[in-house]
Amino acid sequence: QVQLEESGGGVVQPGRSLRLSCAASGFDFDEYAMYWVRQTPGKGLEWVATISNHEVNIYYGDSVRGRFTVSRDNSRGILYLEMNDLRGEDTAVYYCARAMRDSSGFFCDFWGQGTLVTVSS
Amino acid sequence: QPFLSQPPSASASLGASVTLTCTLSSGYSNYKVDWYQQRPGKGPRFVMRVGTGGIVGSKGDGIPDRFSVLGSGLNRFLTIKNLQPEDECDYYCGADHGGVSNFVAVFGAGTKLTVL
Repeated sequence: QVQLEESGGGVVQPGRSLRLSCAASGFDFDEYAMYWVRQTPGKGLEWVATISNHEVNIYYGDSVRGRFTVSRDNSRGILYLEMNDLRGEDTAVYYCARAMRDSSGFFCDFWGQGTLVTVSS
Repeated sequence: QPFLSQPPSASASLGASVTLTCTLSSGYSNYKVDWYQQRPGKGPRFVMRVGTGGIVGSKGDGIPDRFSVLGSGLNRFLTIKNLQPEDECDYYCGADHGGVSNFVAVFGAGTKLTVL
């Protein structure tokens, strides 16, 4: 079955960096685009980034563009999110999700359980 | 890009039905919307996609027949019949916009469903 497992979260000081990973299994990873979505504790979902299956197309949300970098290793089935210059407002649970594409665009059909990033001095 | 509006809360009795609404901003009446369910402490779960013609594609993995969708104008509805205790959680709608050069994804603020 499809499984997505995020890791790499933790407590980090403002201005520092952190790299999240998402290990995928149960499907052909290189056939799917992937999303990162975050959720501030007690709040709603915020789209962070999308990467196409072979990294040709990469998109970022306005709040992270220029600071975060999404990448993937198709040979190992791992999605990454490199987060630089972290701010307090980046504190959130970060989810990776598999993106299905149809004629209407993408939707996220499977999600991980998330990893918590806390930015605090 | 579209804005998705959801009421913050909804409630209905055990065994009853409830309809949740996601409203697209003006000008996006042809957009499809995806419904997600999120139970406490868990990642979101895809429910189904909806357009003005109703469901688009298939329901998410393990979504029961009690869940259905409709679309009308700017509104996208998720109806849950025969409410069960496990249905009490948060429901989000989402959509994406733009082409290859300007893709963006958006989510509504979510509706917290209480089963009385």
